Amino acid sequence: EIVLTQSPATLSLSPGERATLSCRVSQSVSSYLAWYQQKPGQAPRLLIYDTSNRATGIPARFSGSGSGTDFTLTISSLEPEDFAVYYCQQRTNWPPVRFTFGPGTKVDLK
Amino acid sequence: QVQLVESGGGLVKPGGSLRLSCAASGFTFSDYYMSWIRQAPGKGLEWVSYISSSGSTIYYSDSVKGRFTISRDNAKNSLYLQMNRLRAEDTAVYYCARINYGGNPTHFDYWGQGTLVTVSS
Repeated sequence: EIVLTQSPATLSLSPGERATLSCRVSQSVSSYLAWYQQKPGQAPRLLIYDTSNRATGIPARFSGSGSGTDFTLTISSLEPEDFAVYYCQQRTNWPPVRFTFGPGTKVDLK
Repeated sequence: QVQLVESGGGLVKPGGSLRLSCAASGFTFSDYYMSWIRQAPGKGLEWVSYISSSGSTIYYSDSVKGRFTISRDNAKNSLYLQMNRLRAEDTAVYYCARINYGGNPTHFDYWGQGTLVTVSS
């Protein structure tokens, strides 16, 4: 079973600062690593897929990188609307298909 | 624009059943794999089930296998989740999500707003 670990659990930053979020996978499976943003009371929104591809409409300040078991989401300069919880997600090699999410990193206002 | 609208949530007693629906619009539903994902109150995201575009391939998480059944009606642009033998730990917001286009499902590109299922006596 693949386990995703995200760090830190909480990141306290100010607008304009750079945010670096980490996602570690328990075993190297693939580069099919995605990142989602979730705000209170809302559904998650896809930010990054396949490690480094920005989803439709996602601003360029969001970027993804990594390989093997270590992946990173970077927000180059935090905007007020970026304070939220961020989840990473990976799919196992198939079959069978399994999708696993990390526990999340909360980016809150310092 | 892509829209996914879930319905069917509510309060149910342990051991009971519930059927969730997801109405899709704004895209060719029959071209896409679909999934259900849930989120317990104050907790993270948990993948529940996946169905291929034709409905011929289905997978479940171990936590729901044997109790939940995913299905779809491409003529009605609808996705379903039949939940039987519900437990308190199934209490969550259930999201319908579209899986990326193509034969290699890797991520969820659109999500509905979710429907709350509460299992309690």
